[in-house]
Amino acid sequence: NAGVTQTPKFRVLKTGQSMTLLCAQDMNHEYMYWYRQDPGMGLRLIHYSVGEGTTAKGEVPDGYNVSRLKKQNFLLGLESAAPSQTSVYFCASSYHTGGAGNTEAFFGQGTRLTVV
Amino acid sequence: DAKTTQPTSMDCAEGRAANLPCNHSTISGNEYVYWYRQIHSQGPQYIIHGLKNNETNEMASLIITEDRKSSTLILPHATLRDTAVYYCIVRVMPDMRFGAGTRLTVKP
Repeated sequence: NAGVTQTPKFRVLKTGQSMTLLCAQDMNHEYMYWYRQDPGMGLRLIHYSVGEGTTAKGEVPDGYNVSRLKKQNFLLGLESAAPSQTSVYFCASSYHTGGAGNTEAFFGQGTRLTVV
Repeated sequence: DAKTTQPTSMDCAEGRAANLPCNHSTISGNEYVYWYRQIHSQGPQYIIHGLKNNETNEMASLIITEDRKSSTLILPHATLRDTAVYYCIVRVMPDMRFGAGTRLTVKP
């Protein structure tokens, strides 16, 4: 049971390049999330998904796109990377329940992205 | 979503209880209080959550005031490995947003 796996762990991009970050979970969770964390800051929500084929914007969605074609995978895309997108990116997943109880979220170990 | 307010940083002596406060004065009736922590640069780790009642698990205790406007996370016997940033989140599914958290430093 791997939990939440992020690929890649490190990446250096040149300004204007594109890339896709992959998040995979093996817990059959409905909800998945992408966050970014800048040095000394808390996590900021980029996009999230409540199920296969659905996505929604979070706090800082500009410059990013996401897709959830399969329940277990949540992809984060940068179409034209900018230095301001240098950050650590975290993915998370959790169950959906009728209320909000017992919806512990599990996080990946992060992807360190540098845009030069 | 309701907002939370936490102190920026706190210190605690090793072996003593660490009490981390969180203010969530605008919480609504169906919002749960969750606590996570982030050790160094790892992914955040779930600690505990609650709605109205106090909760306890193997990691910590959560005390929620009767009016639900504030809560306290208690680490009963802090160790050096508890040094981390602790996040208090008020959550209604599916949204899950983090604030800046409290940086807890446990000192020998």
